[in-house]
Amino acid sequence: EAGVTQFPSHSVIEKGQTVTLRCDPISGHDNLYWYRRVMGKEIKFLLHFVKESKQDESGMPNNRFLAERTGGTYSTLKVQPAELEDSGVYFCASSQEIGLRQFFGPGTRLTVL
Amino acid sequence: QQQVKQSPQSLIVQKGGISIINCAYENTAFDYFPWYQQFPGKGPALLIAIRPDVSEKKEGRFTISFNKSAKQFSLHIMDSQPGDSATYFCAARLYQLTFGKGTKLSVIP
Repeated sequence: EAGVTQFPSHSVIEKGQTVTLRCDPISGHDNLYWYRRVMGKEIKFLLHFVKESKQDESGMPNNRFLAERTGGTYSTLKVQPAELEDSGVYFCASSQEIGLRQFFGPGTRLTVL
Repeated sequence: QQQVKQSPQSLIVQKGGISIINCAYENTAFDYFPWYQQFPGKGPALLIAIRPDVSEKKEGRFTISFNKSAKQFSLHIMDSQPGDSATYFCAARLYQLTFGKGTKLSVIP
């Protein structure tokens, strides 16, 4: 069974540019989550999809972040325009049950210069 | 406001020793407490988890001890091996997971 995949693994962009991160969850997992870890800090929840619907987006830092999950399969997280404080590792996770047994992808390391 | 506090930040243990990582939480509504293990370049992987109605759960060399009254839980790794060297995160679930800051464990031969 394929795990959660994320693309790209690394992204280096300049302040003001746009970046789009992609996550492919485990097949059959209706629940998809985005998290972010800033260096040395805790992994922080950003948002949660159930199929194509946003169930909880309370962790999204501001309106420069836009997440979509068209068709209830893969998800994208767009940051536009990127700021220096957006640097960190963005993780995607998926699960069958809400909040339980979440399987994480390898993450995308975003560096904003 | 950090709802899950994890300690220590880093830990060095001799091979064969016991590694102990502690977490404390504030919200008594949390209903599920997982531990994740992360190796460099990989995502966190679920290691073991416990519900608050259980005081201890053991899976192989890994044990969670849970103290509901103290609002604390801990991960014990028995007979620690160099392959256990990784970053460990505790977490707690209300609707979503709230993570601790992580503990970098190094097991030296």
